[in-house]
Amino acid sequence: ETGVTQTPRHLVMGMTNKKSLKCEQHLGHNAMYWYKQSAKKPLELMFVYSLEERVENNSVPSRFSPECPNSSHLFLHLHTLQPEDSALYLCASSQDRGAQGEQYFGPGTRLTVT
Amino acid sequence: GENVEQHPSTLSVQEGDSAVIKCTYSDSASNYFPWYKQELGKRPQLIIDIRSNVGEKKDQRIAVTLNKTAKHFSLHITETQPEDSAVYFCAAYGGSYIPTFGRGTSLIVHP
Repeated sequence: ETGVTQTPRHLVMGMTNKKSLKCEQHLGHNAMYWYKQSAKKPLELMFVYSLEERVENNSVPSRFSPECPNSSHLFLHLHTLQPEDSALYLCASSQDRGAQGEQYFGPGTRLTVT
Repeated sequence: GENVEQHPSTLSVQEGDSAVIKCTYSDSASNYFPWYKQELGKRPQLIIDIRSNVGEKKDQRIAVTLNKTAKHFSLHITETQPEDSAVYFCAAYGGSYIPTFGRGTSLIVHP
């Protein structure tokens, strides 16, 4: 698959579990993003990485931990989540951080916390 | 930080009518304004964008207008078709180069 891929597509986890979301981009981009999309809320930017360095952390709870081992891969490590963390988590990439062009989104991971 | 307001939250039109969605922003340093379309169960995709040095941009049935003085920009869709039904998001890039998204508008086009 080309573009931006995310795995898993669906995830159900208990509040005491630890899981990771994976994102991979095949576009040669330098910036990658994690967003949270909840019903009736705007897209919430969680983290931004530019050239593998985190440049923004939008006051996200520490139970979400990002990792960017290289410019093509982005992870979101989850632990001790709350039911209100249930949402669609979208990964995106862009050529560079900033207004240089569009963001390409992945298909998302639908997360349910029980 | 940037604040983006998007209206309306829901828009219902008949096929062939025009649809207009409006966004306002707060950061006068914002200089890039993309619009994304998200069909049900699919990922958001860019449909049109505009930069602050341009007042209007058009691509077939879709156009975006920008009023920097009033700090608002609008998406215009003419001759709407059922396949235009989706959620549309506006975004503004402020001085921090980080996008702030609007809440989205659910457009329903009735055949």
